[in-house]
Amino acid sequence: EPEVTQTPSHQVTQMGQEVILRCVPISNHLYFYWYRQILGQKVEFLVSFYNNEISEKSEIFDDQFSVERPDGSNFTLKIRSTKLEDSAMYFCASSAFWDSSSYNEQFFGPGTRLTVL
Amino acid sequence: QKEVEQNSGPLSVPEGAIASLNCTYSDRGSQSFFWYRQYSGKSPELIMSIYSNGDKEDGRFTAQLNKASQYVSLLIRDSQPSDSATYLCAVIGRDDKIIFGKGTRLHILP
Repeated sequence: EPEVTQTPSHQVTQMGQEVILRCVPISNHLYFYWYRQILGQKVEFLVSFYNNEISEKSEIFDDQFSVERPDGSNFTLKIRSTKLEDSAMYFCASSAFWDSSSYNEQFFGPGTRLTVL
Repeated sequence: QKEVEQNSGPLSVPEGAIASLNCTYSDRGSQSFFWYRQYSGKSPELIMSIYSNGDKEDGRFTAQLNKASQYVSLLIRDSQPSDSATYLCAVIGRDDKIIFGKGTRLHILP
């Protein structure tokens, strides 16, 4: 069964360093997302991406964050200058459809645990 | 501020019984509703989606939606120990952004 994959599974970095989290969405999906989940807290939407541009972004997704689809398979999240409070699980998700009155089931990858020291 | 509210639990249910999980949401224009299961340290796994009022059944799971009351629920019949997890309610509102609830921890007692 097709699945979303993410690398690395765990990333440790020093405060102020740049990190790139990688995702390979399900191959026939067109909509891609990033979420974060701080330990013990709820899943928070960061950004959605369609047709090579950002569709929606949350207040969390500030200038330190960027997303890119550099080729036909990868979808990346870059954090330019990490802060301690960026430590969290980062989940990538993808969906085949986007229509708030129809089907837009999102399938999540296993996540990358980011630890900022 | 749009909200999705869930009782954090833990909800303890004997094995074989029906587990009932509830969720309310604030955006009356919301159209898409989802239940995800999340095991500790793992990613959310989609188990049910529902879009119109009424019940939707899939195996041991039944999702119920009442848009007038802004209420969505998940019933798990014949609960198994493997159902022990945190269940996340997620809602897509008029702004097309998905909002997750904090989740309800379900514990199935063997």
